[in-house]
Amino acid sequence: RKEVEQDPGPFNVPEGATVAFNCTYSNSASQSFFWYRQDCRKEPKLLMSVYSSGNEDGRFTAQLNRASQYISLLIRDSKLSDSATYLCAVLRSNDYKLSFGAGTTVTVRA
Amino acid sequence: GAGVSQTPSNKVTEKGKYVELRCDPISGHTALYWYRQSLGQGPEFLIYFQGTGAADDSGLPNDRFFAVRPEGSVSTLKIQRTERGDSAVYLCASSPLGDRAGAQYFGPGTRLLVL
Repeated sequence: RKEVEQDPGPFNVPEGATVAFNCTYSNSASQSFFWYRQDCRKEPKLLMSVYSSGNEDGRFTAQLNRASQYISLLIRDSKLSDSATYLCAVLRSNDYKLSFGAGTTVTVRA
Repeated sequence: GAGVSQTPSNKVTEKGKYVELRCDPISGHTALYWYRQSLGQGPEFLIYFQGTGAADDSGLPNDRFFAVRPEGSVSTLKIQRTERGDSAVYLCASSPLGDRAGAQYFGPGTRLLVL
């Protein structure tokens, strides 16, 4: 089983819709969690860190569920420019290397 | 400010050749990481430097891969006797340890194609 798993999608949504997807992690020692956004043939860009209490950044909301070992990302009022692959990344306690999921592809259509 | 830079952006080589990939981290970032990303996959960890020393090289696939960071800033990933399976995007990332611990900032990558 992979350490970090994501639904690959694609999630095809109309502009203005809400889309949400999860990422599960297998190592209970994981302590830090991140969402990265990756556009085609570009590098991953940090979208947001995920905090225990959940956090929001504009139209993006991230949640952490330690008991079930998953994190989620919700995008409200989707824009065409939100079309990308969203990578979940997990950092274990006392470790420095990120473990990534394979990504969830989101396509927002006009 | 300037982000992580990597050169070359693309590299085409023949099987068996030697290649060097360069990474220039964000100024002041002490931690530097190399990852490799294949099509349809997330980045996979290769090696991590804290300062000049390789603190964790557990991700290097075999002894054909080696990386250095002699002055604690620029790093070079070296691949000997390249194989077709080495074709991937090689990503470098850096982070200011202690600030938003764990968040890493990626460069644009070097797209390596081994023919």
